[in-house]
Amino acid sequence: DTAVSQTPKYLVTQMGNDKSIKCEQNLGHDTMYWYKQDSKKFLKIMFSYNNKELIINETVPNRFSPKSPDKAHLNLHINSLELGDSAVYFCASSQNIGTATYEQYFGPGTRLTVT
Amino acid sequence: ILNVEQSPQSLHVQEGDSTNFTCSFPSSNFYALHWYRWETAKSPEALFVMTLNGDEKKKGRISATLNTKEGYSYLYIKGSQPEDSATYLCACRGTYKYIFGTGTRLKVLA
Repeated sequence: DTAVSQTPKYLVTQMGNDKSIKCEQNLGHDTMYWYKQDSKKFLKIMFSYNNKELIINETVPNRFSPKSPDKAHLNLHINSLELGDSAVYFCASSQNIGTATYEQYFGPGTRLTVT
Repeated sequence: ILNVEQSPQSLHVQEGDSTNFTCSFPSSNFYALHWYRWETAKSPEALFVMTLNGDEKKKGRISATLNTKEGYSYLYIKGSQPEDSATYLCACRGTYKYIFGTGTRLKVLA
């Protein structure tokens, strides 16, 4: 059973389109995250939700909108895609963001290519 | 927490060699230091979490130490094996946020 799953794994789309990436965790965790792996291979936090409540909202263009319908799901919707949005996006979850020692479990990543 | 740095960026070692790499982090607003192992085409997997100055953790041939006063952690691999080849990431946890380093890419040559 996959603990943290993301769909799709690959996404190729044109500039200006709107797309979504879905993430689901079956670990019963309270907290979910979206990270962007940039061209220098940094994993940068974008958003974090705890029990469906937004906790972290980094300096991300507001074309990116996360949605958490329940604590097992955190989807990422991107409007008006730009070339610079091309990256690998990772979803992760942890038991609860309030405890610093809880490890994160990562999804397999979604490679987004904007042409 | 502003910046987490790891060194070296990459290294190659021979099978059987022992090796170590460094994670440096600002010591203010520090809550925990996480180490992850990231194999190619897979997701990062947690190795260790440390919080206290002087903490040491061990898992098989891999161990880690933490110095929160000077802001660094070392990861050691004893008797490296080809299956240890991966990127080793550290992440510093502040109030709610994790700041990741860029990783050390280890290649163990058979």
